[in-house]
Parts: sequence; structure tokens; C-alpha cells
Amino acid sequence: GESVGLHLPTLSVQEGDNSIINCAYSNSASDYFIWYKQESGKGPQFIIDIRSNMDKRQGQRVTVLLNKTVKHLSLQIAATQPGDSAVYFCAENKSGGTALIFGKGTTLSVSS
Amino acid sequence: NAGVTQTPKFQVLKTGQSMTLQCAQDMNHNSMYWYRQDPGMGLRLIYYSASEGTTDKGEVPNGYNVSRLNKREFSLRLESAAPSQTSVYFCASSEGTTGNTIYFGEGSWLTVV
Repeated sequence: GESVGLHLPTLSVQEGDNSIINCAYSNSASDYFIWYKQESGKGPQFIIDIRSNMDKRQGQRVTVLLNKTVKHLSLQIAATQPGDSAVYFCAENKSGGTALIFGKGTTLSVSS
Repeated sequence: NAGVTQTPKFQVLKTGQSMTLQCAQDMNHNSMYWYRQDPGMGLRLIYYSASEGTTDKGEVPNGYNVSRLNKREFSLRLESAAPSQTSVYFCASSEGTTGNTIYFGEGSWLTVV
């Protein structure tokens, strides 16, 4: 079964708003997490990652938060732009595992 | 750097036909993967190669075979295509299988009629 999932399949925001995309995982042994962005007709692109020894990591306009107590991961996008419209996937790597396990994705739509 | 390159981009097959999807990476990565993506679903792992000379089954290996030709190349073969294999296929690579970012190709759209 799925070990990684997203709370909402779609999220609509206005340009300039902050976006929060959530993800729940079930395997407490997972120790590496990644967020990917996938635009229509393209392959997934790496956005940001975080390891289980951290609870927050920041990139350019993006922040990933990890709450190991409730097994929750979130991606925050500041000042969302139309170019951020895409499907966002979280993925986990189980400790000693072989490859990333992906959730089903959240479609972010940004209107101007 | 091209990153991960896969061919063909689009292919239509008749049920029962065979074909091979080619993939190459120029990042000197040890590990390579084949995923499939179906509408409304995330990516599911078909096969992977942790290092040159090894291949292992992923979550959905039935109906597929793979070959790790060398460090750069990892091919996916459909011996007898079925409509259930209509999907988008992504090749990917990473330095290792644990705790490493996976980089994806642009995808191959396969339709089996």
C-alpha cells in the first residue's frame, strides 16, 4: 500500500499568496524526504530535500518542514507565481531502502 | 550536461508487440531506475539497478525486463505489450539508492492498442 500520501489532490491560490502543500507518511523508519515539481509533459524536477535529523530546511522561496512525531511533511512556497503551477509530489526513502516511494501528488493552480 | 536522456519520446504499439525504451545518464551515477506514471497516481517503481551489473525488481515488475548495459545506460523492455502497459515511463538516476536525490528524464509516452 501507499506509504506516502498527500492530504489534498488540488490546491488553488492567488498569485502572491503563500502556498502550503501537505504530505503524510506512514513509515517511521524513513529518513530522507524529497519534494518534486512536475509540469505538464515533463519529468519530475527536484525542489528540495530534508533528512530526518532536521525539522526545517529552506531554499529559494521554498521551505520544507518535517514533523516526525506525527509523520508529516509540508512544502511552503512563498509569494506563489503562475510558474509554480504544477503537480507536486513528496517522496520518501526508507532507511536501508532501495528507491524513493512517491505519493500521488497535489495539483497547484495559481491564478493571477 | 544532458542529465538523463530517454528515447523514444512517444510510441504506439499493438498488443503483443515488443519494444525497448532506452535511457542514458551523463552524471556518472551508480544507480538507475525505471518508473511508470499513470493518470492520477504517483510514480511506481518497475525495476532498478543499484550499481552496474545488478538489477532488482521494484513495485510493478511484471511484464518488463531490464538491462544495465554499462554504467551510463539502463534499458527497459516490454516483451509482449499489453494495454495495461499504456503509461508514461520515466528513467531516473542517482548516486546511490539510499538518501540520494533521484534525477528524472523527460518521459516516454507509450500507448498499447
